Amino acid sequence: EIVMTQSPATLSVSPGERATLSCRVSQSVSRNLAWYQQKPGQPPRLLIFGASTRATGIPARFSGSGSGTEFTLTISSLQSEDVAVYYCQQYDKWPPTYTFGQGTKLEIK
Amino acid sequence: QVQLVQSGAEVKKPGSSVKVSCKSSGNMFRSYAFSWVRQAPGQGLEWMGGIIPLFGTANYAQKFQGGVTITADESTRTVYMELHSLRSEDTAIYYCARVDTTVIEDFHYYGMDVWGLGTTVTVSS
Repeated sequence: EIVMTQSPATLSVSPGERATLSCRVSQSVSRNLAWYQQKPGQPPRLLIFGASTRATGIPARFSGSGSGTEFTLTISSLQSEDVAVYYCQQYDKWPPTYTFGQGTKLEIK
Repeated sequence: QVQLVQSGAEVKKPGSSVKVSCKSSGNMFRSYAFSWVRQAPGQGLEWMGGIIPLFGTANYAQKFQGGVTITADESTRTVYMELHSLRSEDTAIYYCARVDTTVIEDFHYYGMDVWGLGTTVTVSS
């Protein structure tokens, strides 16, 4: 069973500063990793797939990196509307099965 | 803009079943995969299973094998998720999501790019 570990659990960042969120996977998933943003009362929103490709309409301040077991989501200049919980998700084989991390709550300092 | 419209909130007794629907407004319904993801109150996201209408067969997370049935009706562009033998721990918001596939340098990458608004299922005696 693949285990996803996100850190930190909560991150406080000042507006305009960089936010760096981490996702560690218990075994290599190559680049089969996505990131989602979820705001209160809303469904999740796809930000990044393939570890580093931004989904349609996602601002350029969001970027993803990593491969294998270590992945990072970076928000280059935090905006107030970025306050949310962020989840990483891995998928494997065909048909794919998916596993989510436990989430990182991003707050404005 | 594709939308996924889910059925309304449900209140169920322990031991009963619930069937949630998810209707797609988009074309090419049969060639996409659809997944069901649930979120218990104050908790994270949990993938339950998915289906590709083109193939008609579903796959499930190990935890939900035998306890969930996912089906699709191409004629109405609707995906269904039926959860059996409900317990209080099944109280959650249930989301359906469309899974898009992008091919980059011969590698297939997946992302859940369209989501329904969620269906709240409450299990209580």
